[in-house]
Amino acid sequence: GENVEQHPSTLSVQEGDSAVIKCTYSDSASNYFPWYKQELGKGPQLIIDIRSNVGEKKDQRIAVTLNKTAKHFSLHITETQPEDSAVYFCAATFYNQGGKLIFGQGTELSVKP
Amino acid sequence: DSGVTQTPKHLITATGQRVTLRCSPRSGDLSVYWYQQSLDQGLQFLIQYYNGEERAKGNILERFSAQQFPDLHSELNLSSLELGDSALYFCASSSEADTQYFGPGTRLTVL
Repeated sequence: GENVEQHPSTLSVQEGDSAVIKCTYSDSASNYFPWYKQELGKGPQLIIDIRSNVGEKKDQRIAVTLNKTAKHFSLHITETQPEDSAVYFCAATFYNQGGKLIFGQGTELSVKP
Repeated sequence: DSGVTQTPKHLITATGQRVTLRCSPRSGDLSVYWYQQSLDQGLQFLIQYYNGEERAKGNILERFSAQQFPDLHSELNLSSLELGDSALYFCASSSEADTQYFGPGTRLTVL
C-alpha cells in the first residue's frame, strides 16, 4: 500500500549548521512531494514542494531534492536558526487519486543557539 | 495565516456523544480535505470533497461522516465518540491539482 518513511525522527543541530531530513515513498505513481513545518499548537505550514518532473528546487535556505528512481526525496535547510525548530513532515501524493497526502512520521528539529 | 479557518479551536466532550467540526476553505478553493493527527497514528487522511462531491476516502471510521455545502464550507461529524477519537483534526483546502493549505485545527478531547 501507500507508505512514506521519514528519517530521522529527531534531529538536533547547532545554529548555523545544516539539517537534512530524508523520506522514501512506496507508490511509484506519486508525483507531488510537499514538505510541511508544524509548530506547537499550529497547523502544518507548507514550506516547499516539488513535482516529479523536477529533480531539485530551492527557496532561500531551503532546498528539496527528488530521486524518482530510488523513490526518495530530501529536505535540506542551510544556516539553521532557532526559529527553524519545529516538527517537519514530508508527504507524497498522486493527483489522479484525488490528491490525498500520505505523510511521513515527522522529524522534530531542534536548533540550539 | 493560510486562509483556511476551522471552528471550534477546542472541543471537550464525553464518550458516546456526537460533535461537528467546521471548516471554511480559502477563497476560490473547491477541494476540502480532512486529516486526523494523533500521537500514535501521525497525520492520516480521512476524506476529500471537491465542489460538494466526495472524491476520495481514507481510513475514516463509519462513525465519522463529512459533507461540503454549496458555499464550499465543510463539516466533519463524529458520532458515538470513544476515548481513542481524541486527536487534532485538520482541514486543508486546495484549488484543483494544487498545493494543500492547512487550517489551525480543532483539538478534540473525549473524556
